[in-house]
Amino acid sequence: ILNVEQSPQSLHVQEGDSTNFTCSFPSSNFYALHWYRWETAKSPEALFVMTLNGDEKKKGRISATLNTKEGYSYLYIKGSQPEDSATYLCAFPGYSTLTFGKGTMLLVSP
Amino acid sequence: DTAVSQTPKYLVTQMGNDKSIKCEQNLGHDTMYWYKQDSKKFLKIMFSYNNKELIINETVPNRFSPKSPDKAHLNLHINSLELGDSAVYFCASSQDRAGGGETQYFGPGTRLLVL
Repeated sequence: ILNVEQSPQSLHVQEGDSTNFTCSFPSSNFYALHWYRWETAKSPEALFVMTLNGDEKKKGRISATLNTKEGYSYLYIKGSQPEDSATYLCAFPGYSTLTFGKGTMLLVSP
Repeated sequence: DTAVSQTPKYLVTQMGNDKSIKCEQNLGHDTMYWYKQDSKKFLKIMFSYNNKELIINETVPNRFSPKSPDKAHLNLHINSLELGDSAVYFCASSQDRAGGGETQYFGPGTRLLVL
């Protein structure tokens, strides 16, 4: 059973704050790490797929880094906006599927 | 056009009934999945099909039976529904098996309530 841990479980920030959260995963036999964004009452949407140690990916104000040797990835949101409120999931590939973490629920207040 | 669609969106039914949820993807993907979002909002894999063949069957009661008539469809049939089956069920697809860099595309979810 793959262990994918995310912290914190939830986060409440003010509009304009920058924030980050962590995903920890098994560092052995690494192949890729996925980040998804999941808004309430919608379906998860892919943000990034990260494959290389030291990789950094960016989409607008959201970026992610990867450390495969120590088994963690950070997701950063710069200047959070209320529309960033969502649950952010990371997922680690197993045999023919993805194992999802429990997510970090982000709430951005205006 | 919706890439991954599920029907129905909402399903309210009585204990003991049999029901089906349908999923279709128009992305030309080879692999499809069923996930259950449990009461703690955790997304857990149930089944995975690749080109109509079952490749993953997690610890799911055998009252749940997936059926893939072709690679664009993966339906979920549930017999003798129980209260604990109430959850949101998500269908997803990916180009190939999710063994690494394959992004999964999710349907809108089916909210099942068993009374």
